[in-house]
Amino acid sequence: QVQLQESGPGLVKPSETLSLTCTVSGGSVSSGSYYWSWIRQPPGKELEWIGYIYYSGITNYNPSLKSRVTISVVTSKNQFSLKLSSVTAADTAVYYCAREDSAHDAFDIWGQGTMVTVSS
Amino acid sequence: QSALTQPASVSGSPGQSITISCTGTSSDVGSYNLVSWYQQHPGKAPKLIIYEVTKRPSGVSNRFSGSKSGNTASLTISGLQAEDETDYYCCSYAGRSTPYVFGTGTKVTVL
Repeated sequence: QVQLQESGPGLVKPSETLSLTCTVSGGSVSSGSYYWSWIRQPPGKELEWIGYIYYSGITNYNPSLKSRVTISVVTSKNQFSLKLSSVTAADTAVYYCAREDSAHDAFDIWGQGTMVTVSS
Repeated sequence: QSALTQPASVSGSPGQSITISCTGTSSDVGSYNLVSWYQQHPGKAPKLIIYEVTKRPSGVSNRFSGSKSGNTASLTISGLQAEDETDYYCCSYAGRSTPYVFGTGTKVTVL
């Protein structure tokens, strides 16, 4: 079955750029049936959708983060990535990658999540 | 786009039914039949339990059901079991500019 796995540094300094990668196994990021999203959850708080990418490179970002977010896809590696610039402590969160079924507009498969702490 | 409003906590006894509300606006919940619900156990990733307001993914118990009226969606858990004690989040499609907005989350306690 399809599985997603996040990877990247668990500690990022303030003002630097957070970079995470999601590796897709058991399926293809090039499938036209899905969008590939990043979602985060600060400790003890609710989920926040960050943005998505389609295999063709089409992206859509949460307006509240749009100026700092870049999501990209590398189909040859079956991966997609997140970059969030100029981070502050408010960006400390568990970051999840997730597959969105475009036919149903729901996140049907999630990675296990990776905790990223912003601290000097 | 503000988060959808959910009650912070809901409780019930084993075997009872409980309902969790998810209140949005005419720009999200009220405009689209694209509300989904997620169950999240501590330290785990969310799991999809309801999509398109009322539909259950394969393998999800039929004790979970969804509905919607106006700007408010609801998740009902019937025959409450100890394993249902955890956090639940709603999510709604909200249009092309901000496609997804999540709820504030509800902690379900089985008494």
